[in-house]
Amino acid sequence: GAVVSQHPSRVICKSGTSVKIECRSLDFQATTMFWYRQFPKKSLMLMATSNEGSKATYEQGVEKDKFLINHASLTLSTLTVTSAHPEDSSFYICSATRDGRNTIYFGEGSWLTVV
Amino acid sequence: KQEVTQIPAALSVPEGENLVLNCSFTDSAIYNLQWFRQDPGKGLTSLLLIQSSQREQTSGRLNASLDKSSGRSTLYIAASQPGDSATYLCAVGGGADGLTFGKGTHLIIQP
Repeated sequence: GAVVSQHPSRVICKSGTSVKIECRSLDFQATTMFWYRQFPKKSLMLMATSNEGSKATYEQGVEKDKFLINHASLTLSTLTVTSAHPEDSSFYICSATRDGRNTIYFGEGSWLTVV
Repeated sequence: KQEVTQIPAALSVPEGENLVLNCSFTDSAIYNLQWFRQDPGKGLTSLLLIQSSQREQTSGRLNASLDKSSGRSTLYIAASQPGDSATYLCAVGGGADGLTFGKGTHLIIQP
């Protein structure tokens, strides 16, 4: 079955620094990747949709300059949290769709703690 | 805009009971519906995926149903075990629009 790998699974960074999270589709080409965020006791919320080779589409309220998304290849998308603050501490998870199919495959998620 | 509601928000039952988790959604134009499990500090585990053309899916002690016209899905857990304790998330959508998640049901199975 399709596999999506996300790295790192846990990361702690200092306030003001940037951190990058990678999302890879291991055995298929992912034309579309999604990034979600979940705050404690809240539901997962879509942050942005990225299509390979084009700019990401951000959901309302998500700062595109703070959450940089790059989808440079059909198997890799990255989310960079720039100038991280403690309120950015959250669970971030990516997902990917295979070309022409509607099933979405999820990475394992990344727990970000900003101290 | 799609909205997904999960009821109850929390549930605590003794071990061995059969239980039902509910999920409702406002827009029936979905590609599929998925049930996930989330353990504290862990990632998501996909439990069952129901395509829009299907009525139900079963995996072991889990059975999920989908009534797209009424915007409802249920997750049935048979003979619950303490290891089933987790947060269960329902998500609908698929395709180019991604998924919309409910807030989850926090389930505790008492030994």
